[in-house]
Amino acid sequence: EAQVTQNPRYLITVTGKKLTVTCSQNMNHEYMSWYRQDPGLGLRQIYYSMNVEVTDKGDVPEGYKVSRKEKRNFPLILESPSPNQTSLYFCASSPRVPLAGVRNEQFFGPGTRLTVL
Amino acid sequence: GQNIDQPTEMTATEGAIVQINCTYQTSGFNGLFWYQQHAGEAPTFLSYNVLDGLEEKGRFSSFLSRSKGYSYLLLKELQMKDSASYLCAVRENTGFQKLVFGTGTRLLVSP
Repeated sequence: EAQVTQNPRYLITVTGKKLTVTCSQNMNHEYMSWYRQDPGLGLRQIYYSMNVEVTDKGDVPEGYKVSRKEKRNFPLILESPSPNQTSLYFCASSPRVPLAGVRNEQFFGPGTRLTVL
Repeated sequence: GQNIDQPTEMTATEGAIVQINCTYQTSGFNGLFWYQQHAGEAPTFLSYNVLDGLEEKGRFSSFLSRSKGYSYLLLKELQMKDSASYLCAVRENTGFQKLVFGTGTRLLVSP
């Protein structure tokens, strides 16, 4: 089944304890992205990747790191989590780098609900 | 930058028709998406408009007017399972074609 998977789905942690949220897609998609979703703020992009070894910051990158060593995986790393990173996180992928006039919609993973105490 | 506005919440009755509006301001427009998101779940793609006019797909239709910075999602023959949030997202016409989301409209369908 074509899908985007994330792990863990739920995580409660404490301030300062490094954590990684994994994201994997089995659709051979080039483009991958991380979002966080907070009440009243909508989905905001954290980082994105246009292909292996090509990553760049989105709108809210502070406190996060990513890597793209393989096409299928795009982990999100929180080196020193803080309570303001408590949120619902979504990984997404699309077949190609977004192009003008081409639909190329993003497919979302199931989400990771993170609580930082 | 982008500014996307949509109503926070709407209610409707099973079997009825509902229209969810989205207005946007952008320095460069390259397509508008509608996603459906059930509570606690992932957003799923509903529709895409890049040219003016109406796109119909079963019970769902989406309309775009680029000159007015306006789109709507029309849901017909509402069902209880349509209770969800509906996210309007605009793709910027920049180098990396960023997708910017509105805050979503929560639709509650009652019997």
